Amino acid sequence: QVRLQESGPGLVKPSETLSLSCAVSGATITSNTYYWGWVRQPPGRGLEWIGDIYYSGLTYYNPSLISRVTISLDTSRTHFSLNLTSVTAADTAVYYCARRPYLRAFEIWGQGTMVTVSS
Amino acid sequence: EIVLTQSPGTLSLSPGERATLSCRASQSVGIKYLAWYQQKLGQAPRLLIYGTSNRATGIPDRFSGSGSGTDFTLTIGRLDPEDFAVYYCQQYDRSPWTFGQGTRVEIK
Repeated sequence: QVRLQESGPGLVKPSETLSLSCAVSGATITSNTYYWGWVRQPPGRGLEWIGDIYYSGLTYYNPSLISRVTISLDTSRTHFSLNLTSVTAADTAVYYCARRPYLRAFEIWGQGTMVTVSS
Repeated sequence: EIVLTQSPGTLSLSPGERATLSCRASQSVGIKYLAWYQQKLGQAPRLLIYGTSNRATGIPDRFSGSGSGTDFTLTIGRLDPEDFAVYYCQQYDRSPWTFGQGTRVEIK
């Protein structure tokens, strides 16, 4: 059974970098069948796609965040990561990692991790 | 980017009733690239429908999707108590992938 689990600091100071990791179990992120992505949800609000990464390292980002976001694969190939620089209170959200097959929807999601941006 | 507008914002229904949720896109979306998710409070979204009308693994057949172009619909045939939740549509036709703002289905 494929499982995704987010981890990282729950509190980040304004202007600093938000760094999260997603641990993948029950599947290999080196498969050419899937994209691995991040989606966030501010408190009480809807979902926003942040970006995806393919096993080759090819990335796709939301243009609204492209200047601040980096998604990467861990060299162990069991994790992938999200870095979001220069955060503000507007980046406060639950961050989800998720998997989607090529040309398909996000079929498997992590449980999400709440990140608050505050001094 | 493609903007998805869901209606109504809230749907108040009783268990056993039929629910019809709408998702309208600002540009045409290919039928292979429209999905619906269910989200309960404190939980991650769960994929219900992909490719407009295909049920994801384990999804009961009371959930069905239809539509084309700019108008898509999620229908819940007979509401089960566990179906009261927020529902989101999503397009993955053209980047950036976007979601609707959600429809809350609440118990009347």
